Amino acid sequence: DAGVIQSPRHEVTEMGQEVTLRCKPISGHDYLFWYRQTMMRGLELLIYFNNNVPIDDSGMPEDRFSAKMPNASFSTLKIQPSEPRDSAVYFCASSLDRGSQPQHFGDGTRLSIL
Amino acid sequence: AQSVAQPEDQVNVAEGNPLTVKCTYSVSGNPYLFWYVQYPNRGLQFLLKYITGDNLVKGSYGFEAEFNKSQTSFHLKKPSALVSDSALYFCAVRGYTGGFKTIFGAGTRLFVKA
Repeated sequence: DAGVIQSPRHEVTEMGQEVTLRCKPISGHDYLFWYRQTMMRGLELLIYFNNNVPIDDSGMPEDRFSAKMPNASFSTLKIQPSEPRDSAVYFCASSLDRGSQPQHFGDGTRLSIL
Repeated sequence: AQSVAQPEDQVNVAEGNPLTVKCTYSVSGNPYLFWYVQYPNRGLQFLLKYITGDNLVKGSYGFEAEFNKSQTSFHLKKPSALVSDSALYFCAVRGYTGGFKTIFGAGTRLFVKA
């Protein structure tokens, strides 16, 4: 079991640039989650998918953020245009269900917008 | 509304002493409760969960947690702390309220002193 794989691990870019974060969930997991972690706000759920379909995107902060899951083994989170306040660690997680099974987290992407 | 509280930002304990990290929750119906641990520059790792049954749940690395329905608590415990247990610990609750989304606490930083 390779675990949830995120790339890149670190991203530094200038304000206004497009940023794309990538995630490969654990094979067989039907649920995929995107979180953002900051010191001020803690861990926030941005969006989650079930069987590649977005179910709840109420946590996406604004229209600059978008997420896709074109197939069961790949998801992206895009920020366009990026702003300094988007600087955070972004985590992807997957799980077998949304009930009793735990979520499995990747090691995150540390994003710095200058 | 569904919520989880970790009343202590930080817990300090000497190596070899027992440790407790506190968690209380609010959710409609029967909750699913989880503990996760986060080490520096890593994603959250699942430690243990309570779904139903025995109120004392055992998990990874010698950790256990006690579910108390009357006090709506799910405190994390370990009989003898190790320096390597120093990390950030998150309690999470999942319930019917809010469409079975997982709500994470703010986290408690555990320092184990040699």
